[in-house]
This record gives sequence, structure tokens and C-alpha cells, in this order.
Amino acid sequence: GNSVTQMEGPVTLSEEAFLTINCTYTATGYPSLFWYVQYPGEGLQLLLKATKADDKGSNKGFEATYRKETTSFHLEKGSVQVSDSAVYFCALRSRSNYQLIWGAGTKLIIKP
Amino acid sequence: GAGVSQSPSNKVTEKGKDVELRCDPISGHTALYWYRQRLGQGLEFLIYFQGNSAPDKSGLPSDRFSAERTGESVSTLTIQRTQQEDSAVYLCASSSRTSGGASTDTQYFGPGTRLTVL
Repeated sequence: GNSVTQMEGPVTLSEEAFLTINCTYTATGYPSLFWYVQYPGEGLQLLLKATKADDKGSNKGFEATYRKETTSFHLEKGSVQVSDSAVYFCALRSRSNYQLIWGAGTKLIIKP
Repeated sequence: GAGVSQSPSNKVTEKGKDVELRCDPISGHTALYWYRQRLGQGLEFLIYFQGNSAPDKSGLPSDRFSAERTGESVSTLTIQRTQQEDSAVYLCASSSRTSGGASTDTQYFGPGTRLTVL
């Protein structure tokens, strides 16, 4: 069945560091891929998405590229800020199903 | 415009009691989803409503769980005879549509209801 695996947290970085949060998936066909973010005390928000191979989703300085050959959708940001501290979730949705399949989430802590 | 709202934000109940959780989706969104998020885990799909179609209940963990939706508006998730393992954050999401083709529709999430069963 479909599944998503993302790196365990917490990930602790200093401000202005480079961020990578790994996400790999298992799915049949060509799923759509998503990164959602959950800031402290807030609901889940879509951060970015990609719907086909080699697409790059980007938002708020974050980027992720849909890599079919490695079944990955790693989240990157060149220079993180304290305000990026949150829990990040990778998810997929197959083209034949509306259900989102979620990773376990990665807590990101940015220290000033 | 207004986002997805859920109530209550927190609910503490005793084992064996029934609880009702409410979700108000974004106006005009025909699809509504309920998820459960246990501490330190990803989201677990519970149930899906799409317009007037029969809901997909395949994610409900037991017959103690049920949900209703009035037309394309409010939904209520009911948990009967609550157990301690039901403690979690229950999240509701809505989207404008789903299609059998390219899955491009974004789900918008409410803030969740944190349920604690003592």
C-alpha cells in the first residue's frame, strides 16, 4: 500500500542554517505530494505541493522537488528563521483516491 | 474568508461517556474529512464526505465512531463509550472538490479538537 516516511525529529538548527527534511514515499502510479506545516497552537497549513515528476513546489523560501527516480520529496530551505519552528508533515495522495497518506511529522526547532 | 472551524478546542471526558465534535467547513466546500492525530504520530484518516454521496467510512476504527454531515455544511463526529485510547487531536478538513483525475485539490484544516479521556 501507499506510505510516507520522513526523518524523525526533533531537528534543531541555528538561525540562518540550511535545512533539509527528508521524505520518501511508496506508491503506485503518480501521486501528488505535499508538505504541510503546523505552527505551535495553529492548525495544519499547506506549505507546498507538486503534482508530477520533476515539479518543484515552493513557498516562504521552502522548496521541494518531486523525484520519481528516488521516490523522494525532500523539503529544503537555504536560511531558516526562528519563526520556522513548527512540525512539518509530508503527505501523498494517489490519483485514484482522495485520502491523504501522512508521514509521522518532523519537529523543527530553530534557535536564535 | 473564514477558514475551517472546530469546536470545542479541548474536551476532557471520563471513560465511557459519549462525546460530539463539531466541524464547520469553508463555505462552498463540498468535500469534508475527519482525521485523528495521536501524539507524535501522523494523521489517520477516519471518514470522508463528498456532497450527497454516501460517505467513505473505511477509516473509522470501531462502531463506537460515527459521523454525520448536514448537506454540504456542518459535520459532527460522535464517539460513544469513549476509551482512553481515543485520546487524540481530531482534525477536520475541507476541500472544494475531488476528482477522479489529477488530484490537485488542497485540503484546508481546522485547528482541531484535543480530546482527553480520563
